[in-house]
Amino acid sequence: QKEVEQDPGPLSVPEGAIVSLNCTYSNSAFQYFMWYRQYSRKGPELLMYTYSSGNKEDGRFTAQVDKSSKYISLFIRDSQPSDSATYLCAMSDTNAGKSTFGDGTTLTVKP
Amino acid sequence: DAGVTQSPTHLIKTRGQHVTLRCSPISGHKSVSWYQQVLGQGPQFIFQYYEKEERGRGNFPDRFSARQFPNYSSELNVNALLLGDSALYLCASSLFNRLGSDSPLHFGNGTRLTVT
Repeated sequence: QKEVEQDPGPLSVPEGAIVSLNCTYSNSAFQYFMWYRQYSRKGPELLMYTYSSGNKEDGRFTAQVDKSSKYISLFIRDSQPSDSATYLCAMSDTNAGKSTFGDGTTLTVKP
Repeated sequence: DAGVTQSPTHLIKTRGQHVTLRCSPISGHKSVSWYQQVLGQGPQFIFQYYEKEERGRGNFPDRFSARQFPNYSSELNVNALLLGDSALYLCASSLFNRLGSDSPLHFGNGTRLTVT
């Protein structure tokens, strides 16, 4: 059983759709929760970074953390073809240098 | 500002050989972490270095080693390469401090290693 499980996808949606990406985890020590976007042949790019439970919004992106359920989500509103990428959730205790990642969900947004 | 830079971008090696990968962190970042990403999977933690000291090691064999230099750049070394070492090797830097870190990782674009 992996510490972090991510909905595997792949996910294909029409342009303008709302996308929901999800991860569950088992380690209660996790306090920091991140979402990264990774384009083909590139390194992961930080999208969202949250601490403990709650919501955080940045433009079209909203991250939600529910520590009681050990469940995190990333919502993308008004999805664009440029959002087509693999999305990785990651989490850590006090040291983000040792983050644990999910295996990613590949998203395709069709024009 | 320059991001995390890694070299080389691609590398092809033969089984049994040795490889050295290099990383320069974002200016001001003193912590460097190394991750291995196999195709179709998420990054797996290999090492973290902070101010030239190893701060953590993942579940990798002793064939993997690393070091950090006074300018905070870092090298990852892999000896006796196996076919299974073929992967994207990612370097990331962060504002880690001795009390822990509230700073997320910022990644380079990786070195793609192919072992034949």
